[in-house]
Amino acid sequence: GAVVSQHPSWVICKSGTSVKIECRSLDFQATTMFWYRQFPKQSLMLMATSNEGSKATYEQGVEKDKFLINHASLTLSTLTVTSAHPEDSSFYICSALRGNYGYTFGSGTRLTVV
Amino acid sequence: AQSVTQLDSHVSVSEGTPVLLRCNYSSSYSPSLFWYVQHPNKGLQLLLKYTSAATLVKGINGFEAEFKKSETSFHLTKPSAHMSDAAEYFCVVSLSGIYGGSQGNLIFGKGTKLSVKP
Repeated sequence: GAVVSQHPSWVICKSGTSVKIECRSLDFQATTMFWYRQFPKQSLMLMATSNEGSKATYEQGVEKDKFLINHASLTLSTLTVTSAHPEDSSFYICSALRGNYGYTFGSGTRLTVV
Repeated sequence: AQSVTQLDSHVSVSEGTPVLLRCNYSSSYSPSLFWYVQHPNKGLQLLLKYTSAATLVKGINGFEAEFKKSETSFHLTKPSAHMSDAAEYFCVVSLSGIYGGSQGNLIFGKGTKLSVKP
């Protein structure tokens, strides 16, 4: 199979602090991972494409300095929400592409900024 | 340009009755289409995918979808709803190829929330 683990599943942080979310491919190597954001009762919006060993590609309107993505190994991509604000509160989901298995999604992270 | 429209934001059925979740797509090319399910505060699970090999696609948990090019539709159905089917369902079109290549070009519909009454 193709399993993607995302951690933490939920986090509460204070405004102005930074939060790191991890996305790991457990049984395969993922050169490319994707980060999505989902607002309540809305669909998923692609934020960025994370490429191992190179800079992430951000979608239009996504602040790269606020949402830092690091893909330092073939099994781990991290998303850091810097200087978090309440409007950053959302559900963040990662996914990885594995050959013919297609996309596998993580279980998501519920971020609440207070 | 590719797009996907889920015609119902909320569908409510009784347990044991059929389920129909509607999806229409727009694509300049032969599309690749998917249905995903999301339970509350969970990630997405692939139900089924259309790969152009067969127009009637069977997925997990008894779901199936039929690709109808003339109607540009890819509706999701299940003969008999179960309580555990209550979740959010997303119809997805891929911008390129079956899995969207390396660009993550999946276009998500806005989702349909399925409620199942006992």
